[in-house]
Amino acid sequence: GNSVTQMEGPVTLSEEAFLTINCTYTATGYPSLFWYVQYPGEGLQLLLKATKADDKGSNKGFEATYRKETTSFHLEKGSVQVSDSAVYFCALSDQGDHSGTYKYIFGTGTRLKVLA
Amino acid sequence: DSGVTQTPKHLITATGQRVTLRCSPRSGDLSVYWYQQSLDQGLQFLIQYYNGEERAKGNILERFSAQQFPDLHSELNLSSLELGDSALYFCASSVYPGGNTIYFGEGSWLTVV
Repeated sequence: GNSVTQMEGPVTLSEEAFLTINCTYTATGYPSLFWYVQYPGEGLQLLLKATKADDKGSNKGFEATYRKETTSFHLEKGSVQVSDSAVYFCALSDQGDHSGTYKYIFGTGTRLKVLA
Repeated sequence: DSGVTQTPKHLITATGQRVTLRCSPRSGDLSVYWYQQSLDQGLQFLIQYYNGEERAKGNILERFSAQQFPDLHSELNLSSLELGDSALYFCASSVYPGGNTIYFGEGSWLTVV
């Protein structure tokens, strides 16, 4: 079945450090890929998305490129801030069983803590 | 504010009891999703509705049930509650059930004591 695997956290970085959170997926079709962010006490918010191979999603300095050959969608940011501290979820949407029903599958989340 | 409204925000109840969580999707969204978030199991998909009909089922226990009403709001019913059901329950919505961004509510915290 479809699945998403994320690197385990927590990830602790100093402010202005480079961030990479790895995400790989397994899907039988051609999924759309997403990164969601959850700030403390809040629901998940869409951070960025990509709908086909080689697409790059970007938002708020974060980027991720849809790599079909490596089935990956790694999240990167060149210089993190304290305000980026949150939990990041990788997700896919795929019509896995061709029933016309799409399922959204989320990874387990990676907690990021940025220190001043 | 995502536009998805969930009530109640917090709920404490005893084992064996039954609760109902309510969700109002974003205006115009026809599809509703329910997720359970617990510390040890991450974000688990429970069930999805589209325009009143069940479209997909995930890891939803038989003690749990849901429905989407004609006005498109949805309710998640949890019965015979156990301590392990304590979690954050999210509702999300999208226009159509496929490929689109889904928008999450702020969740309902359920504590079973």
